[in-house]
Amino acid sequence: DIQMTQSPSTLSASVGDRVTITCRASQSISSRLAWYQQKPGKVPKMLIYRASILESGVPSRFSGSGSGTEFTLTISSLQPDDFATYYCQQYDSYPDTFGQGTKLEIK
Amino acid sequence: EVQLVQSGAEVKKPGESLKISCKVSAYSFTRYWIAWVRQMPGKGLEWMGVIYPPDSDTTYSPSFQGQVTISVDKSINTAYLQWSSLKASDTAMYYCARLNNALDIWGQGTMVTVSS
Repeated sequence: DIQMTQSPSTLSASVGDRVTITCRASQSISSRLAWYQQKPGKVPKMLIYRASILESGVPSRFSGSGSGTEFTLTISSLQPDDFATYYCQQYDSYPDTFGQGTKLEIK
Repeated sequence: EVQLVQSGAEVKKPGESLKISCKVSAYSFTRYWIAWVRQMPGKGLEWMGVIYPPDSDTTYSPSFQGQVTISVDKSINTAYLQWSSLKASDTAMYYCARLNNALDIWGQGTMVTVSS
C-alpha cells in the first residue's frame, strides 16, 4: 500500500494567516492526489483533486500543488470557517489511502 | 441535485449481520464507481473498497478484504456494505462516496454501533 504522511498533525493559526499543510507519498503517485476538509460531526468535503484543481464552489484562497511524492495544501488567508481537519488521499493505485489528517486549530 | 443517501444508524450485537445502503440520485448510477470509507470514533478516514455498478467489479483494501462485502442493485441505484458477523471493533461511521476523479460527492454517513 502507498503510505501518505501529513505534516503537521496539528496546526495552530489565526484568522488571516497563510498556512501550508504537506502530504508525502511513500512512492510516486503522479498528480493523483485529493484534499478533503472535515468539520466535527460533518461529512468530508472534497476541496482539490488532481493535486491542484479546485473543486467547483471552493473558495480561491485554497490552493494545491505538487506531483510525484510531495504535495501541499495552502490556505492564503485563513477564515473562521476554515478551522477543520484536512486529509490528503492518493488515488493512483489501489488501495487508495488517506493521510492521517491535519487538525487546523484557532490560535 | 446529485445525492447519495445512506440508511440510518444501526445498533447491533457482536456476531450479528448487517447490510447498510447508499442510494444515489440525479446522476447515472452506472457511470461512476462507488467507494466506502470508514471513520472510527475520533479517528481518520480509511478507504475500504470500491465497486463499479455496471458489472459489480469490486476492489477491497487488504485491511477489509474478507471482513465486508460490497455490492450493488442497479435496478434501484443502490450500493451496499455488509457484514456477516459484526465485532465491537466495527463500531464506526461509514460513508459511501462517488468516485469522480476523487471522492466528489459523499453520503451523509451511517453510524454503526456494535455492543453487547
